[in-house]
Amino acid sequence: DAGITQSPRHKVTETGTPVTLRCHQTENHRYMYWYRQDPGHGLRLIHYSYGVKDTDKGEVSDGYSVSRSKTEDFLLTLESATSSQTSVYFCASAPGPGANVLTFGAGSRLTVL
Amino acid sequence: AQSVAQPEDQVNVAEGNPLTVKCTYSVSGNPYLFWYVQYPNRGLQFLLKYITGDNLVKGSYGFEAEFNKSQTSFHLKKPSALVSDSALYFCAAINAGNNRKLIWGLGTSLAVNP
Repeated sequence: DAGITQSPRHKVTETGTPVTLRCHQTENHRYMYWYRQDPGHGLRLIHYSYGVKDTDKGEVSDGYSVSRSKTEDFLLTLESATSSQTSVYFCASAPGPGANVLTFGAGSRLTVL
Repeated sequence: AQSVAQPEDQVNVAEGNPLTVKCTYSVSGNPYLFWYVQYPNRGLQFLLKYITGDNLVKGSYGFEAEFNKSQTSFHLKKPSALVSDSALYFCAAINAGNNRKLIWGLGTSLAVNP
């Protein structure tokens, strides 16, 4: 997991509260991704970024927003957390799309009560 | 719709025996194909990828995978399994011509028994 860090690693929150997960990479990668991992669903893309201030939706973007003000940082915000957003969230980065390999963070486990 | 299938949720193999983790894909155009591994409480790590050329791809930790275009498969193999290979394995694919979003399989849990 060297080169990409996520914080917090664990968080418990209550329904209706906002939550922000942070991803920081030192690889100078242009592309960054937020995924959620749930049993039976594998990895599902929430949002991704292809440059500073350039973001796009993934397959499960409802209830989530992202921001990328610097190359190295990609924030995921749950505007009003719900129990269905209890999950493990992974950030990943890559130098580009296509054949480029993703580097993953260690994950952030979020529990929404 | 484009998809990646890993038909086995779990694979059990004895240490020292060969292992195979299966993956089939449905991607328009030419695919790029990947295998990643996830150890408990860790992020995913890259194992190997197929872009073009030789259909047999060799990767990390002694793993290899064979691209079979006619069967649209990219099975992961290792000649002799180790207990430390026990992990969750993900296959992924992307359309080489429209390649911003990877398509992921649901993962296969590999258990190597001593």
